[in-house]
Amino acid sequence: KNEVEQSPQNLTAQEGEFITINCSYSVGISALHWLQQHPGGGIVSLFMLSSGKKKHGRLIATINIQEKHSSLHITASHPRDSAVYICAVNGGSTGNQFYFGTGTSLTVIP
Amino acid sequence: KAGVTQTPRYLIKTRGQQVTLSCSPISGHRSVSWYQQTPGQGLQFLFEYFSETQRNKGNFPGRFSGRQFSNSRSEMNVSTLELGDSALYLCASSLEAGLDTQYFGPGTRLTVL
Repeated sequence: KNEVEQSPQNLTAQEGEFITINCSYSVGISALHWLQQHPGGGIVSLFMLSSGKKKHGRLIATINIQEKHSSLHITASHPRDSAVYICAVNGGSTGNQFYFGTGTSLTVIP
Repeated sequence: KAGVTQTPRYLIKTRGQQVTLSCSPISGHRSVSWYQQTPGQGLQFLFEYFSETQRNKGNFPGRFSGRQFSNSRSEMNVSTLELGDSALYLCASSLEAGLDTQYFGPGTRLTVL
C-alpha cells in the first residue's frame, strides 16, 4: 500500500479551465510538498504546507490535516502548466521519512 | 545565486561496477537530500545529510551510500551496480534540515548495462 495516493493519474484540460489534483496520505506528517516536474526531469518545489492554504499566482494548495488530504488547484490553466505534479510528505514513524505519490500528468491543450 | 548542480549529467556503467555522483548545493544551504526516480517506482528517498551527518535514510540496500563535506557538497556512491539501479538520481538542497523548501538539481541519468 502506498503511503501517498494521488488522483487523477492523468488529466487533460482545455486552456483556461480550473484544475484540481488530489492527494491523500496515510501516515502522520510534519509537512506536505507539491512538486512540479517538466519533461526532461527538472523538479520545482511549488508549495510546502503544514496547515491551511497557500497561494502563489494561479496556484493554490490546501491541506486538511484531520482528513489527511491535500489539493492543488490551478486557475485559468495554460499550456505551460503541462507537467507532472507530485505530492510528497515528510512523516512516518520516525517523522523524518519522505514518501511520494506517483504523480499526476497534466496536459493543457490550447 | 547559482542553482543546485549535479555531475555528471549522464553516465553509463556496466553491472558490477561502482559509481560516484556529485551534488553541489546552493550557496549557504546546509542540507542535501538524494532521491532515485524510476518509471516503475517513481520518486524514492535515499538519504539526507546536514552538516556532514546523515540525518535520515530511506529503504535502500547498503550498496547505496553517501557523504557530505564541510562545504556542504555531497556525493553518493553505488557499489556493485545492478540493472535495476538505472534511474535518474536527483539531489536537492535546503537551508536547514527537515521542514524547509527544497531546491532540486537537474539530476544524473545513470544507465547500467
